[in-house]
Amino acid sequence: DQQVKQNSPSLSVQEGRISILNCDYTNSMFDYFLWYKKYPAEGPTFLISISSIKDKNEDGRFTVFLNKSAKHLSLHIVPSQPGDSAVYFCAASGSSNTGKLIFGQGTTLQVKP
Amino acid sequence: DSGVTQTPKHLITATGQRVTLRCSPRSGDLSVYWYQQSLDQGLQFLIQYYNGEERAKGNILERFSAQQFPDLHSELNLSSLELGDSALYFCASSSNDRNLYGYTFGSGTRLTVV
Repeated sequence: DQQVKQNSPSLSVQEGRISILNCDYTNSMFDYFLWYKKYPAEGPTFLISISSIKDKNEDGRFTVFLNKSAKHLSLHIVPSQPGDSAVYFCAASGSSNTGKLIFGQGTTLQVKP
Repeated sequence: DSGVTQTPKHLITATGQRVTLRCSPRSGDLSVYWYQQSLDQGLQFLIQYYNGEERAKGNILERFSAQQFPDLHSELNLSSLELGDSALYFCASSSNDRNLYGYTFGSGTRLTVV
């Protein structure tokens, strides 16, 4: 049972344009969502997060949008840079007293110069 | 360097064998998490320890076990290895028992079972 899904395995955009990465979830008990970025041969690094009480969170070029009614979140990167080329994972957390995260399968972003 | 150290980086072993993966969390972090990433899969949660005690368990096989020691480093033991256990194993740490500010991940141990 895949509770967090990233339906696009890959995405290619031109440098300077917007990158939009999507994520869907099924469990309405999830109350916190995170995005991680992963380069080859490295562990994932935390990028940005959003609580379920918000619908938008911004950090520099990165913005995460949450649509609770649709159980959908997205990560916008504007403007995209070649250094943003990586695998992006979305993750979700329930309201239990643990740090357990449920990850999506990841989307490989390629930003072309 | 994220501050989370995983050893070894690579491990090749035969089916039926037992291996131990080691993780040293970032200084001051009390929680350690283990995740498995198989080919083309997302990260699957295995287990969490907080200050030496098991806090949460995922779909961890009975052949797998883990512990967190008084110095807060953690070990993941995998026994009776099968070909399907070949994967990247990540350790992460956080200062609290939740993930409010995201984890810090190590660079992983790549296990190949032949």
